[in-house]
Amino acid sequence: DIVMTQSPDSLAVSLGERATIDCKSSQSVLYSSNNKNYLAWYQQKPGQPPKLLIYWASTRESGVPDRFSGSGSGTEFTLTLSSLQAEDVAVYYCQQYYGSPWTFGQGTKVEIK
Amino acid sequence: QVQLQESGPGLVKPSETLSLTCTVSGGSTSGYSWSWIRQPPGEGLEWIAYIFNTESTNYNPSLKSRVTISVDTSRNQFSLKLTSVTAADTAVYYCARGGENHYFDLWGRGTLVTVSS
Repeated sequence: DIVMTQSPDSLAVSLGERATIDCKSSQSVLYSSNNKNYLAWYQQKPGQPPKLLIYWASTRESGVPDRFSGSGSGTEFTLTLSSLQAEDVAVYYCQQYYGSPWTFGQGTKVEIK
Repeated sequence: QVQLQESGPGLVKPSETLSLTCTVSGGSTSGYSWSWIRQPPGEGLEWIAYIFNTESTNYNPSLKSRVTISVDTSRNQFSLKLTSVTAADTAVYYCARGGENHYFDLWGRGTLVTVSS
């Protein structure tokens, strides 16, 4: 199995400040034949299902605010919230869809400082 | 727009079979990948199983011996069966679109299944 490890487990950021979440995979999720990273990011608010934010490591899903951005390649990835808003309080998960079983990181809880 | 809705018993006895159905409304199950994913209370996400049309399935090896996924394209539904459940199977179960080399772009609201006598 590809193990996904996120850091930190939680972080508190002031409104309007930047939040950065890292995700590392135990093996590369970059598919050489199409040069795509099979890595997605999700946001989960309490009592709600996860919501897709980013796919192919850096492509924003339709309707997702541009303050959310994804970067990285191979085994190291980052989700950046450029200016934290109150509605961004949630748990964020990375997920690889490169190899079965498709696995998620343990989640990072983002709170307001 | 396409929406997913899980349905099934909220309480299952230990050693029995958990059965859930996901109804796809506003779209078709044909031509898309569909998965089941679960989340124990207060914990992270675990992918369970995937199906594409009726001929391609894939299971998490950790659950493979107990899981069956199926699809009924005529009803726009896909289903999950998990046998010999224990308290460790207590979780919110989500149905989602995606799976084989594809992210999960659409999710149901989830249904809590508790395993208890």
